[in-house]
Amino acid sequence: AQSVTQPDIHITVSEGASLELRCNYSYGATPYLFWYVQSPGQGLQLLLKYFSGDTLVQGIKGFEAEFKRSQSSFNLRKPSVHWSDAAEYFCAVGGTLSGSARQLTFGSGTQLTVLP
Amino acid sequence: GAGVSQSPSNKVTEKGKDVELRCDPISGHTALYWYRQSLGQGLEFLIYFQGNSAPDKSGLPSDRFSAERTGGSVSTLTIQRTQQEDSAVYLCATTGTGGTGELFFGEGSRLTVL
Repeated sequence: AQSVTQPDIHITVSEGASLELRCNYSYGATPYLFWYVQSPGQGLQLLLKYFSGDTLVQGIKGFEAEFKRSQSSFNLRKPSVHWSDAAEYFCAVGGTLSGSARQLTFGSGTQLTVLP
Repeated sequence: GAGVSQSPSNKVTEKGKDVELRCDPISGHTALYWYRQSLGQGLEFLIYFQGNSAPDKSGLPSDRFSAERTGGSVSTLTIQRTQQEDSAVYLCATTGTGGTGELFFGEGSRLTVL
C-alpha cells in the first residue's frame, strides 16, 4: 500500500530564510508526487508535481522539489521565504496519471509559520 | 464557474441530525471527489464520481454517509444521524480531462457536531 510521511508537523522560519519541508513516501513503482498548499480558509492549491524526467521540478511561488528515488523522498524547498508562504503544506503520492485520483494518498501536512 | 464552490462554508449541528453539503464543480470537469480533513490529519478519500459511471464509494466510513451527483454536475454529500466524530472539514475536488492528475479543490465545508 502506498503511504506518505511528513515528519514535521510544524516548522517556523524567519522571513527571508530558506525552507525545506520533508516528504517520504512508500510506493511499489515509480510514483507520481505532488505538493499542495492550503492557506487559511482556502482550498488546497497545487504547487508542483513530478511524473517523470528531470528529478528537480519547479513550481509556482518560487517553490521547487527534488525527487530522490534512493531516499524515497520528495522534499519541498524555497530559497527565501515570504510572509505570505505561511500555510499548511501537503505532500501526496499517487500511482495513476489519468485514472482515479482516489489513488492519491496525502500526508498529514506540515504547518509553516513565518516570523517577521 | 471559475472554481469549485462549496456550501455551506460552516455548519454547526446537533448530534443525530442529518446534514447536506453541496459542491458545484468547475464547468466541464467530469471527475469529482469528496475528501474529509480532520484536525491534524491528512485528507481522507470518501467518494469519487466520473462521468456517468457508477461512483466509487469505497472510502465512505459508514452507511450514514452517502453522496450523489445530479446531471454530472452538482454533488451533494449527505451525513445522516451525525456523530461528534463526523466533525471535520469536507473538501470537494474536481479534475479535468487533461490527465495531469491535478485536483482543483473547493474551500471546504467545516462541519461541527455538538
